Amino acid sequence: DAKTTQPPSMDCAEGRAANLPCNHSTISGNEYVYWYRQIHSQGPQYIIHGLKNNETNEMASLIITEDRKSSTLILPHATLRDTAVYYCIVRVNNAGNMLTFGGGTRLMVKP
Amino acid sequence: KAGVTQTPRYLIKTRGQQVTLSCSPISGHRSVSWYQQTPGQGLQFLFEYFSETQRNKGNFPGRFSGRQFSNSRSEMNVSTLELGDSALYLCASSSGLAAGLQYFGPGTRLTVT
Repeated sequence: DAKTTQPPSMDCAEGRAANLPCNHSTISGNEYVYWYRQIHSQGPQYIIHGLKNNETNEMASLIITEDRKSSTLILPHATLRDTAVYYCIVRVNNAGNMLTFGGGTRLMVKP
Repeated sequence: KAGVTQTPRYLIKTRGQQVTLSCSPISGHRSVSWYQQTPGQGLQFLFEYFSETQRNKGNFPGRFSGRQFSNSRSEMNVSTLELGDSALYLCASSSGLAAGLQYFGPGTRLTVT
């Protein structure tokens, strides 16, 4: 699986959009980008995933650059409950269920 | 549907003892994966099971083992506990064999003294 690079921490004001970047410059054509988050002392929670096109669901939007070497997770209106560690994971979808977690980005939403 | 459940939620053991942790996946899910989370190493993959067969294994010593039952419930065992085994042990379930979309349980917090 491709290696990902994320900033270790970010702050965001409550009610504003949180934009979390992820670099995955060695991504292969058949690798998907997944985002999970982990709120303190809980298990990780799936947020969204995509291959090439931008994706949106009730939790977030995922923007993948045209060359697929980076992506951005957007939380449109961050709340205090969005304070968590966000993990960007790149993996193929035919290689078992293993997820390789990096250090992630610790997002602090402030009032 | 009920989520992934893990028992016990908290556990304190002594060095040298062994421990068994249990995970019940979401109903209908046939795949269970286990992860260890420590402050120093982060989230690390232990192993995954699908239809009672171990499909993949992470880089952990043989003291860590697991199994899956016919009802998809899974257990993991750690023998000869060491202080460094203190961690949050997370279980995740998914419906398929090759799924990046997984559902995690709340974890079992193991403390080894």
